[in-house]
Amino acid sequence: DAGITQSPRHKVTETGTPVTLRCHQTENHRYMYWYRQDPGHGLRLIHYSYGVKDTDKGEVSDGYSVSRSKTEDFLLTLESATSSQTSVYFCAISETFANYGYTFGSGTRLTVV
Amino acid sequence: TQLLEQSPQFLSIQEGENLTVYCNSSSVFSSLQWYRQEPGEGPVLLVTVVTGGEVKKLKRLTFQFGDARKDSSLHITAAQPGDTGLYLCAGMEAGSSNTGKLIFGQGTTLQVKP
Repeated sequence: DAGITQSPRHKVTETGTPVTLRCHQTENHRYMYWYRQDPGHGLRLIHYSYGVKDTDKGEVSDGYSVSRSKTEDFLLTLESATSSQTSVYFCAISETFANYGYTFGSGTRLTVV
Repeated sequence: TQLLEQSPQFLSIQEGENLTVYCNSSSVFSSLQWYRQEPGEGPVLLVTVVTGGEVKKLKRLTFQFGDARKDSSLHITAAQPGDTGLYLCAGMEAGSSNTGKLIFGQGTTLQVKP
């Protein structure tokens, strides 16, 4: 059941280039989130959205921007990729409040060389 | 920012053994969730606990939320190789009911050997 898909699954990019990751959902959920996962740090929130064009920063938002022009799509952009942004990026959706749990995508493994 | 500390970070046991994973914070959470993640995939929700002292069972897995809603535990009885994976606890920040933001622990990597 692919209610949430991330693209691309893997990407290698050069330092200084812009990169956009896409999260697409078919569940019509209001809330969408971008996390990064790094060894020893667990999952850290980058940005989140609580509706179309309504977004806010998470704990590690520096160097990242997001956009949500439609309910189903949440884009994460690295304006100028750095090696410290090498990570696995996960998108998650939530129906109403987090009490009901997140549904995660399969992740995008990004390598910045 | 509230923090969630998970312990142990790594656990390697034999099939049939029991184990407990702990998730602790100095702050109160309105709810706490446990996820399991397999390599190359996103985390999958196992359970949500919302009431202090609440206990939920999922087959051989038992989840408990502390009375003060600052800690939680996951107990697995008679572990099987299929239980191998990364276990993550996640709590909803106090005052985040309108955003649904979750704070995640660092995770516990469990390996169950046949």
